[in-house]
Amino acid sequence: DAKTTQPPSMDCAEGRAANLPCNHSTISGNEYVYWYRQIHSQGPQYIIHGLKNNETNEMASLIITEDRKSSTLILPHATLRDTAVYYCIVRGGSQGNLIFGKGTKLSVKP
Amino acid sequence: DGGITQSPKYLFRKEGQNVTLSCEQNLNHDAMYWYRQDPGQGLRLIYYSQIVNDFQKGDIAEGYSVSREKKESFPLTVTSAQKNPTAFYLCASTQRGGARNEKLFFGSGTQLSVL
Repeated sequence: DAKTTQPPSMDCAEGRAANLPCNHSTISGNEYVYWYRQIHSQGPQYIIHGLKNNETNEMASLIITEDRKSSTLILPHATLRDTAVYYCIVRGGSQGNLIFGKGTKLSVKP
Repeated sequence: DGGITQSPKYLFRKEGQNVTLSCEQNLNHDAMYWYRQDPGQGLRLIYYSQIVNDFQKGDIAEGYSVSREKKESFPLTVTSAQKNPTAFYLCASTQRGGARNEKLFFGSGTQLSVL
């Protein structure tokens, strides 16, 4: 079972910041939170991951709450090419593999 | 360029036929994975391998088989026992497998359809 909860869909205006929330209230202390995105009929693309501290790279920023029960992925200036399904994932299951839920479908509109 | 290559991009299977999906990586990664994705759904793990000549079942292994004879190759066979094989299949790899701070690299996928 997926251990994260995300809204099924979100809209964002082009050029504005896209803030994608994720709830992972059952996360354990040493588990990382990963974010990937998938454009239709392509393989998922890694965006960013973090443990406790906020992280930033050339694609996005990741804000993790102090209690680590939720996080937010921020795309600072969304473009039409950022339209995709965004997955917030953690390790889980009996074998500790990354578990992909249904994600959030982000639509960036002109 | 280093990466993961999946072939073919599209594949059609007849009733009762086995088909094999190819996955090759030149990243020198130890671990490789196969996922299945149905329309509008997340990814489900079929099989994974953390080392050559060893592999483990994932959550939905029934009707599938794999081999790992070489580090760079992890082919997936969809057997006739898999009654609903139509799906998008994704191959992925990680450098070591099992480490907590590792990211997955994905191929571009194979769309399998039943004729």
